[in-house]
Amino acid sequence: QKEVEQNSGPLSVPEGAIASLNCTYSDRGSQSFFWYRQYSGKSPELIMFIYSNGDKEDGRFTAQLNKASQYVSLLIRDSQPSDSATYLCAVNSLPNFNKFYFGSGTKLNVKP
Amino acid sequence: SQTIHQWPATLVQPVGSPLSLECTVEGTSNPNLYWYRQAAGRGLQLLFYSVGIGQISSEVPQNLSASRPQDRQFILSSKKLLLSDSGFYLCAWSGQGVASREKLFFGSGTQLSVL
Repeated sequence: QKEVEQNSGPLSVPEGAIASLNCTYSDRGSQSFFWYRQYSGKSPELIMFIYSNGDKEDGRFTAQLNKASQYVSLLIRDSQPSDSATYLCAVNSLPNFNKFYFGSGTKLNVKP
Repeated sequence: SQTIHQWPATLVQPVGSPLSLECTVEGTSNPNLYWYRQAAGRGLQLLFYSVGIGQISSEVPQNLSASRPQDRQFILSSKKLLLSDSGFYLCAWSGQGVASREKLFFGSGTQLSVL
């Protein structure tokens, strides 16, 4: 059973702070890693993906991947109240890259 | 650009009634198609996925079935709904390029309440 684990939160940060969201996965064969943002009652929206060890930055978002430790994280700089949402971590892996496995999500609250 | 359409947005059905949810993708050919379910406050559970017409893989035994009658059409069905079928149903697609590099994109979802 491939597992993706996230702290359910809620994680509360003040406006302008850095929010750090973490995710661990059980399958060492995992190849691709994704972060989705989901607002209440809406469908998940892809915000970041990362394939290689290290950091990947896109605007205020940075994804960090450490395959040796089997974790992936998402940093949100200068957090805004509009960032308040649930963030889902997802992976796909051998032998079937067609299957995407999701964590249960971390709820982020950004306080004005 | 690719778009995915899913309907209806909300649905209230009595226990024991049938279900049909439809999803179509535009702007791409031969996509992988998926049905996920999300219970209130929970993560996403993969129900079915399809890599081609008539090819359906089921992830969990349940009261539901899926069909793919056309390349870009995916249908989720049930003959008799149970209370436990309530949830947020999401259709999604991914490409069939370099498999390890494909991304998953979701439709807008259907909130199903079985009463």
